[in-house]
Amino acid sequence: EAGVAQSPRYKIIEKRQSVAFWCNPISGHATLYWYQQILGQGPKLLIQFQNNGVVDDSQLPKDRFSAERLKGVDSTLKIQPAKLEDSAVYLCASSLGWVRNTIYFGEGSWLTVV
Amino acid sequence: DQQVKQNSPSLSVQEGRISILNCDYTNSMFDYFLWYKKYPAEGPTFLISISSIKDKNEDGRFTVFLNKSAKHLSLHIVPSQPGDSAVYFCAASAFTVRFGAGTRLTVKP
Repeated sequence: EAGVAQSPRYKIIEKRQSVAFWCNPISGHATLYWYQQILGQGPKLLIQFQNNGVVDDSQLPKDRFSAERLKGVDSTLKIQPAKLEDSAVYLCASSLGWVRNTIYFGEGSWLTVV
Repeated sequence: DQQVKQNSPSLSVQEGRISILNCDYTNSMFDYFLWYKKYPAEGPTFLISISSIKDKNEDGRFTVFLNKSAKHLSLHIVPSQPGDSAVYFCAASAFTVRFGAGTRLTVKP
């Protein structure tokens, strides 16, 4: 069974530029998560989708971050404009459901903003 | 959003001994708890979980204990091996999943 796929793995951009990350969850997983992990910290939930609906986006900086999961499968996370403090690993994860389910992570997309 | 706390940033143990990693949570709505292991440049990988209706779950060398009244869980690794050296994250789930800051475990040969 294929795992969670993410791309690109690494991205370096200048501040005020934009960037987009793509995620394809494990087949059949209805719930998809985007986490931000800054070096030395734990993963912070940015947004959680159940199929193509948003369950939780309370920690998403909506003035610069956006995410969509239009067909209930793959998802895109966009940052525009990027700030230096957005330098982090962006982790996509998926689970079968959203209650008492194990979530499985991709390898992450590493963003450096200079 | 400090609903899940891992107060020890690092832990060092000798090979063959027990490793005990601790985690506290504040939200009483959490009813499912997970531990993840993370190596550098990789995503976190699932290790073991426990439902709030249990107080212990074992899987090989790994055991998770849950104390609901104290809102505390711990991960025991016995015996510890050098390959266990990684960052361990505690996570708690209600309708979303929140993570602690992680504990870096070093197992010395």
